[in-house]
This record gives sequence, C-alpha cells and structure tokens, in this order.
Amino acid sequence: AQKITQTQPGMFVQEKEAVTLDCTYDTSDQSYGLFWYKQPSSGEMIFLIYQGSYDEQNATEGRYSLNFQKARKSANLVISASQLGDSAMYFCAMREPLGGSYIPTFGRGTSLIVHP
Amino acid sequence: DSGVTQTPKHLITATGQRVTLRCSPRSGDLSVYWYQQSLDQGLQFLIQYYNGEERAKGNILERFSAQQFPDLHSELNLSSLELGDSALYFCASSGGTAYNEQFFGPGTRLTVL
Repeated sequence: AQKITQTQPGMFVQEKEAVTLDCTYDTSDQSYGLFWYKQPSSGEMIFLIYQGSYDEQNATEGRYSLNFQKARKSANLVISASQLGDSAMYFCAMREPLGGSYIPTFGRGTSLIVHP
Repeated sequence: DSGVTQTPKHLITATGQRVTLRCSPRSGDLSVYWYQQSLDQGLQFLIQYYNGEERAKGNILERFSAQQFPDLHSELNLSSLELGDSALYFCASSGGTAYNEQFFGPGTRLTVL
C-alpha cells in the first residue's frame, strides 16, 4: 500500500502567488517524521522542511511552511510568494522504522511550474 | 552544495557489465543511504550504512551490493547490469540513524545500453 500520496502530478502558479502542494500519508506509528524535498531540473535533491509528529507548531522555513493536520494525516507544503526558481519537482516523504533505523519513503512527486 | 559528493556524475555501460558508484558523505556524518530514482519506480531506498555497518535494507537487488569504509565513504556495486537498471542513483548522508534530515549528493546517472 502506498504510504505517501501526492495526488497532484502537476501544478501551475503565477509568480508571486502562493501555492499548496498536497501530501497525505498512512502510518500506524505514533512517532514519525515528514519531509519535503525539491528536485530542480538539474537533478539534485534539496531538503526544504521537516515536521515531527509530536511538533505542535507547523514547521516553517523562509517561504516554505508545512500545513500539518495530524488527524487528517496530511502534510501539505505551502510556498508563499512563488518565484521562477521554484519550478521543480517536489517530493513529500515520511520517515518510518525499517530494520534498526528510520528510512524515508517518498511520494511520486508533484511538478510545479511557476509562470511569470 | 549539500557537502555530499558522488562520482562519477554520468556512467554509460553495457548489459552484463559491473560498475561501482562512489559517495563521500558530509564531514561528520556517519550514515550513508543509497537510493535509486527511475521514472517507473520513483525514488526507492536501497540500503543504509552507519559507521561501517549495514543498518537498514530496502529494495536492493541481489546483484547490487554496498559497503562503507573506515573513512566513511561508501561504494555501491552494481553487477550483471540490465537495461532496467538505468536510473539516477543518489547517495545521502545524515548525522545519525534516526530523525535527522538527509543531505543528498548530486547523483550518478547510469545508462545501460
């Protein structure tokens, strides 16, 4: 069963507007972590933001914020004031136990295109 | 720049061959993770090493193996290569075994002809 679901294969946004990228997850663990990564066309994976399951406040990092709704099992990424350089693939991931460690499982990603 | 280095950046080889991908983690990071990214499978976790020891195993084929050396660099060995092994292979590192963000290297793009 898919643990991380990103239902939007592609999103378009006007420059300077805000955009929300959806992510829902499935876990029976009480302790877990949620991540968002950005992958521009150059290919590297860039860490954006992290939310722990016990964190009461929504995580924020500059123009990125994570709208964490635990009861709904959703962890949407909000990008404020979009810039042309935000055009990229965005991956949601959830860290879950595997063997003696915690390993992220990634969603299939959302392609974001920012229009001037 | 994440501080994680991977070599080579690109690799083109033929079916049946064997290749070695190399990764140097960020200074001070003890954990190294290997991922495979392909269009049909997405980003798949392969294996994790922590301070030289295997810590977690994911969807890694038996034809693939990895190790982490005393200086903490890691190598991923892919043998008896098939067309379907063509993918982007990422290495990531982190400072511990759990709850730390992972820093990804630039990736090695493997093309099997």
